[in-house]
Amino acid sequence: SQQGEEDPQALSIQEGENATMNCSYKTSINNLQWYRQNSGRGLVHLILIRSNEREKHSGRLRVTLDTSKKSSSLLITASRAADTASYFCATDLSGTYKYIFGTGTRLKVLA
Amino acid sequence: GAVVSQHPSRVICKSGTSVKIECRSLDFQATTMFWYRQFPKQSLMLMATSNEGSKATYEQGVEKDKFLINHASLTLSTLTVTSAHPEDSSFYICSAASGKSSYNEQFFGPGTRLTVL
Repeated sequence: SQQGEEDPQALSIQEGENATMNCSYKTSINNLQWYRQNSGRGLVHLILIRSNEREKHSGRLRVTLDTSKKSSSLLITASRAADTASYFCATDLSGTYKYIFGTGTRLKVLA
Repeated sequence: GAVVSQHPSRVICKSGTSVKIECRSLDFQATTMFWYRQFPKQSLMLMATSNEGSKATYEQGVEKDKFLINHASLTLSTLTVTSAHPEDSSFYICSAASGKSSYNEQFFGPGTRLTVL
């Protein structure tokens, strides 16, 4: 399977703490994206990082990309209860439009 | 950003019936649309890629005769689950790409929850 893997599968933290999720993938990519999904809902696009970028910030989100290790991390700082959701990374296969999603991390932020 | 809609958002049907799900790009023309399936507490799995005016390309393990995809226009793709069975119950999500983005951007619909009794 080409599916990427994320760890941890589940993460439970207190409000105000930072949450870090990791994504590993298997093929060469053009870019990597992170999405959030609230239970039973659609995807919310969080951030895109291109293969020639190493780090990107957006508000409380920080994404890193290490193409040599085929891995990425998503850091959410100062977490809030509203950040409770599942987080997925998605990579596009070079030369195609296909997205391959990671297995996801279920984040629970306790108030 | 670009908007993609899906209809219906939720459908319950009896085993053996067929269900059609629509995916529309509302403010752009989508040269390529994708259909994903997501089982509870699992990730999205790509089912098929459809290009306007041509046959869909199915991922390995996806039955093309069971999941009929039609991409008749640049703004509409439909997924028909034929002779649905309880194991087809899932969350179906479509996405659309305009082909004009420099980084293969896909825009996702809100999903359709299918429950087969």
